Amino acid sequence: IAGITQAPTSQILAAGRRMTLRCTQDMRHNAMYWYRQDLGLGLRLIHYSNTAGTTGKGEVPDGYSVSRANTDDFPLTLASAVPSQTSVYFCASRETLWGEQFFGPGTRLTVL
Amino acid sequence: ELKVEQNPLFLSMQEGKNYTIYCNYSTTSDRLYWYRQDPGKSLESLFVLLSNGAVKQEGRLMASLDTKARLSTLHITAAVHDLSATYFCAVDIPPGANNLFFGTGTRLTVIP
Repeated sequence: IAGITQAPTSQILAAGRRMTLRCTQDMRHNAMYWYRQDLGLGLRLIHYSNTAGTTGKGEVPDGYSVSRANTDDFPLTLASAVPSQTSVYFCASRETLWGEQFFGPGTRLTVL
Repeated sequence: ELKVEQNPLFLSMQEGKNYTIYCNYSTTSDRLYWYRQDPGKSLESLFVLLSNGAVKQEGRLMASLDTKARLSTLHITAAVHDLSATYFCAVDIPPGANNLFFGTGTRLTVIP
C-alpha cells in the first residue's frame, strides 16, 4: 500500500486513559506531522518531525507527545486523555519542508 | 497574529454556475496549497502554487496566487455536483517552515 496509514480508524476512550495513535508512511518522506481537526477551526498542528530522530511542537502540543525512531513511523501519544481531545486526528508527510503534504485517512477519537 | 482567512465559509451554488473562493493570509509567503476534503474523508491535494502569479488548472477548477496581495483564489467553472466538498487553502509561513497554516475551509454545495 502506497501512502500513509493510521490506526485505529476510530476509538472511544475513557478520560484519564493513555492512548497511542499510530501513523506509518511508505513514501520515505522526511517530514511528518500530526494535526487535529475540529469543526470550525480547520486543521491545527500538534507536533511535527523534520527527520527521523527529531521532533518539534506545533500550535497545540499540550497533552500530546510524539517520537520518531525511524523514517516510516510517527506515533502520537495522549498520556492522560481529556474530553477536549475529542477530535479527528490526521497524520501527514512530505518529502521536503516546502512541498505539498500528503494526509492519512484520519483517526476519529472520542474521549468521554 | 497569523491569519489565513477563507471566504465564503459556506457556498451553495447551482450546477453550471461559476464562482470564486478567496484565501487571504496575513504575512509574507510564496507557497500556497489547496486541498479538498469530502465528508468523513481525508484531505486530497489539489494545487501547489509556488510563486507570485502562479496559475494552475485542473478540470473545472483553477487556482491562482498573488503574493503581493497575499491572496489566492480558487475559481470554479460550470460547477457540477461532484465538486461538492470542503476546500481548504494552506500557507507555508515562513516559506520552508515545518508547518502549514490552514484556513477554516469553504464548504461548497452544488445543487442540481
